[in-house]
Amino acid sequence: NAGVTQTPKFQVLKTGQSMTLQCAQDMNHEYMSWYRQDPGMGLRLIHYSVGAGITDQGEVPNGYNVSRSTTEDFPLRLLSAAPSQTSVYFCASSSPGAPLDTQYFGPGTRLTVL
Amino acid sequence: EDKVVQSPLSLVVHEGDTVTLNCSYEVTNFRSLLWYKQEKKAPTFLFMLTSSGIEKKSGRLSSILDKKELFSILNITATQTGDSAIYLCAVRSNSGYSTLTFGKGTMLLVSP
Repeated sequence: NAGVTQTPKFQVLKTGQSMTLQCAQDMNHEYMSWYRQDPGMGLRLIHYSVGAGITDQGEVPNGYNVSRSTTEDFPLRLLSAAPSQTSVYFCASSSPGAPLDTQYFGPGTRLTVL
Repeated sequence: EDKVVQSPLSLVVHEGDTVTLNCSYEVTNFRSLLWYKQEKKAPTFLFMLTSSGIEKKSGRLSSILDKKELFSILNITATQTGDSAIYLCAVRSNSGYSTLTFGKGTMLLVSP
């Protein structure tokens, strides 16, 4: 049981490049989310999904796309990277009504956009 | 819009001290408040609180919720250098997906 996995761990992009951050979970969780964490800003929700085929915007969705074709995977796409997207990205999953009512976080991806 | 405010934003204490971290919140249709500890990587879960006045305790850490005054505190007694971390407070509402809204965190540094 790997929990929530994210790849890559580190990435450097040039402005304008595109890339996909991968997130997968093997706990059969329905809910998955993407957060970004910036110094002094806490964790901010980018996009989330309540199940396969269903996604919605969070607090800071601009510049990011998501899709959820399977329960396990929830990739985050940067279409045209900007320096403002330099951040640490966390993927999380949870199951409604889970005993601890908490989210399980992946290890994070540190992204630098030059 | 749901809001979580943590204070202080940063704190430096000596080993052995007791610290209190604060979290106040405004949320529509409150469901739960969660505390996380974040060291170098992803946040790890500490406590979940749903009812007022009930203390959750784990070793030297404890937390309590006041639903009337809309705040929670996290206490750490006899601090150790391993307690140095960012402590995150988050609230979950009963609305829709009930996403977590996080505060900005308190950075705690425990010096030897």
